Amino acid sequence: TQTVSQSDAHVTVFEGDSVELRCNYSYGGSIYLSWYIQHHGHGLQFLLKYYSGNPVVQGVNGFEAEFSKSDSSFHLRKASVHWSDSAVYFCAVSAKIYNQGKLIFGQGTKLSIKP
Amino acid sequence: NSKVIQTPRYLVKGQGQKAKMRCIPEKGHPVVFWYQQNKNNEFKFLINFQNQEVLQQIDMTEKRFSAECPSNSPCSLEIQSSEAGDSALYLCASSIRDWYAEQFFGPGTRLTVL
Repeated sequence: TQTVSQSDAHVTVFEGDSVELRCNYSYGGSIYLSWYIQHHGHGLQFLLKYYSGNPVVQGVNGFEAEFSKSDSSFHLRKASVHWSDSAVYFCAVSAKIYNQGKLIFGQGTKLSIKP
Repeated sequence: NSKVIQTPRYLVKGQGQKAKMRCIPEKGHPVVFWYQQNKNNEFKFLINFQNQEVLQQIDMTEKRFSAECPSNSPCSLEIQSSEAGDSALYLCASSIRDWYAEQFFGPGTRLTVL
């Protein structure tokens, strides 16, 4: 069974700070990892993905994530947050062999930005 | 920005009533997914299609939910007899293939069952 865990339900930082949102998964095979952002009252917006190659992937709006097979992690980072980054962030995993591409989501991390 | 269109944005139904929502995937995306997101931010995959064919669906979907993606028409998800526990945000996503590809989400249909 695949699981995705986002250990921090809520993260608060000041505008201009760096931030890291954590994601750990459990699955040993070939997987596809992604991050999505959801602003209040909206659908999910794709940020970035990883399947193979360079473990550090760049996404939209200055976000990047790093895949670590040894840690089973795919943490999301941003060097300097803006107030508009306030939202809920979801990590998701998919594995072709089991689930025909459906995404398994983590519980979400709400990012709050203080002025 | 995603170009997946979902209608209606809000839907209010009484228990036992039918609830139907629609999705127009991005042009050129043959794969469509439906997810349910509850108020605790828990996601549940419901069903996915490649063109008009069902790829995978969960048991709940087989029993009370029906879905289709007819050619040249919007995809739809219908709950035959709504229950209070069906109150949630229903998200439609489309993709160029069933795996290893971004899923682009619509704004969702928020269903409230009274």
